[in-house]
Amino acid sequence: GAVVSQHPSRVICKSGTSVKIECRSLDFQATTMFWYRQFPKQSLMLMATSNEGSKATYEQGVEKDKFLINHASLTLSTLTVTSAHPEDSSFYICSARYGGEQYFGPGTRLTVT
Amino acid sequence: AQSVSQHNHHVILSEAASLELGCNYSYGGTVNLFWYVQYPGQHLQLLLKYFSGDPLVKGIKGFEAEFIKSKFSFNLRKPSVQWSDTAEYFCAVKSPGGWGNTGKLIFGQGTTLQVKP
Repeated sequence: GAVVSQHPSRVICKSGTSVKIECRSLDFQATTMFWYRQFPKQSLMLMATSNEGSKATYEQGVEKDKFLINHASLTLSTLTVTSAHPEDSSFYICSARYGGEQYFGPGTRLTVT
Repeated sequence: AQSVSQHNHHVILSEAASLELGCNYSYGGTVNLFWYVQYPGQHLQLLLKYFSGDPLVKGIKGFEAEFIKSKFSFNLRKPSVQWSDTAEYFCAVKSPGGWGNTGKLIFGQGTTLQVKP
């Protein structure tokens, strides 16, 4: 149980376009989901906390207008990278809180050309 | 600000060697502590966690960790590593009810473990 999926697993887009990444909790409902960014050989940096039915809470230094988060249902949160640039290329990971723990998705590799 | 520090960035061991990865955190309140593992190409998996009680916790795959409150530490140990333990290891801290009560995790920088067969 407690499986989290992400889609797509990898995406390549052109500079200036927007990309949407989906995070789903498959067998449980999650009122809270988290979005992380992981650079190569580095740790996970929390970007924002996504709460179902309300606005996301962004960490300091994360541009909320660039990284749009929508948590419209108890099983789905989306992260949209708007007007993507090469420096946004990274590995994006979501997690969902369930039973006091966080369960992580497999991640999405974003490459902006 | 809260932070988590992992002292070893890259560890290379031979099979059957003992492992200890250091983790220290900076936060004076009650904490929940976690170790996660990320095998190559796979997602993060929970190895073990500490919430309360016995400070020596045992996890999956023979791993254990000891919470020493006075040292703000939560070191990960395994008496005999295997080649299959090659992975990235992350220590993480959560403040139950704190930090906006969101349950967010703060991660350490990670330690790359390479086990030679």
